[in-house]
Amino acid sequence: QSVLTQPPSVSGAPGQRVTISCTGSSSNIGAGYDVHWYQQLPGTAPKLLIYGYTNRPSGVPDRFSGSKSGTSASLAITGLQAEDEADYYCQSYDSSLSGSFFGGGTKLTVL
Amino acid sequence: QVQLQESGPGLVKPSETLSLTCTVSGGSISRYYWTWIRQPAGKGLEWIGRIYTSASPNYNPSLKSRVTMSVDTSKNQFSLKLSSVTAADTAIYYCARGTQTNRFDFWGQGTLVTVSS
Repeated sequence: QSVLTQPPSVSGAPGQRVTISCTGSSSNIGAGYDVHWYQQLPGTAPKLLIYGYTNRPSGVPDRFSGSKSGTSASLAITGLQAEDEADYYCQSYDSSLSGSFFGGGTKLTVL
Repeated sequence: QVQLQESGPGLVKPSETLSLTCTVSGGSISRYYWTWIRQPAGKGLEWIGRIYTSASPNYNPSLKSRVTMSVDTSKNQFSLKLSSVTAADTAIYYCARGTQTNRFDFWGQGTLVTVSS
């Protein structure tokens, strides 16, 4: 069981909007540690997609956005494209475990 | 642009020690947390640990008894040793650069390590 909980899968049609949740606890998100999101395309290394809940690295389209609410974070993807089909992971630091941890990952399918 | 490249044996025998090195180019190895992450086939990402040039390393509690990390600033490299490996340690191993806010902004391409006799 992951420290951060994500839905195993989400799906949406091209052009639609999907969201992926990441639920933590008082020792990670609730303790003020940042949440970061990664996109992993098939057969490739993960790529930083969103950092510090809401910030996009240079080159990431503004179709990708992040938010925080309490001890949860969310990734939203608008205007879904076929190329968005990938695994998405949230990640944070946990004070009780003294280390970084990933959510279990969410597979996005573009219908 | 910072680049990371993992290197090491792709096949390790059970009970032996897995050893990997990550070479960093395009930037200094100072001032960042150098991190190892692994991913078994078809599964999620697991943080193994991190090392900073001027501080003690931090390891995943589930692996702590078997993990050793080190850094060689003269070669711009950092290393991972995982002892007493079993088939459960078979995975793609990634090295990554970690920041003060614990994000991993640069990753290596990953290297597959198989534990088998």
